[in-house]
Amino acid sequence: DAKTTQPNSMESNEEEPVHLPCNHSTISGTDYIHWYRQLPSQGPEYVIHGLTSNVNNRMASLAIAEDRKSSTLILHRATLRDAAVYYCILTPLNTPLVFGKGTRLSVIA
Amino acid sequence: GAVVSQHPSWVICKSGTSVKIECRSLDFQATTMFWYRQFPKQSLMLMATSNEGSKATYEQGVEKDKFLINHASLTLSTLTVTSAHPEDSSFYICSASRGGSYGYTFGSGTRLTVV
Repeated sequence: DAKTTQPNSMESNEEEPVHLPCNHSTISGTDYIHWYRQLPSQGPEYVIHGLTSNVNNRMASLAIAEDRKSSTLILHRATLRDAAVYYCILTPLNTPLVFGKGTRLSVIA
Repeated sequence: GAVVSQHPSWVICKSGTSVKIECRSLDFQATTMFWYRQFPKQSLMLMATSNEGSKATYEQGVEKDKFLINHASLTLSTLTVTSAHPEDSSFYICSASRGGSYGYTFGSGTRLTVV
């Protein structure tokens, strides 16, 4: 599995945008970039995924570098409910997700 | 849409007994289901992949005779922890895939405590 590098933790103020980085210099052509988040004592929740183009949905935006070696998950207005561990995962479609350590996001009121 | 129900949400069992955990896709047919476990303060570890009607594929180091997986229909997969011991206490999470470009949907997890 292609490796990703994420900061261990980040902090944001409530109602401000948050940019969560992910480096993946060994990404292969068939790897999709998946983002999931996990709140305490819950199963992970799908956030967004993409292949080459930037993606937007109601939860977040995914900005993918032109060379695909890095990506950024953007939460446009952080709320207290966004405090979670965010996982950036590379894998082709229909193959199991392999989780790394992720980034623990804290949101300050 | 895309809801996965996992049951029970928590269970306490005695050492040596077996526990069954169910994972159901409520509003879609899951071509593939995955089972993970998560120890405190650690990330999720993939245990196995199951496809409907065929044997599960286990990750290295996961005992297939201890963690029995059955995927009898496109909406139900079960994980049975046989002869449970305290070291099997963990948070078990299932995930289901509809295939194609859809994302993966996770259950809410089952906290197993073996005493």
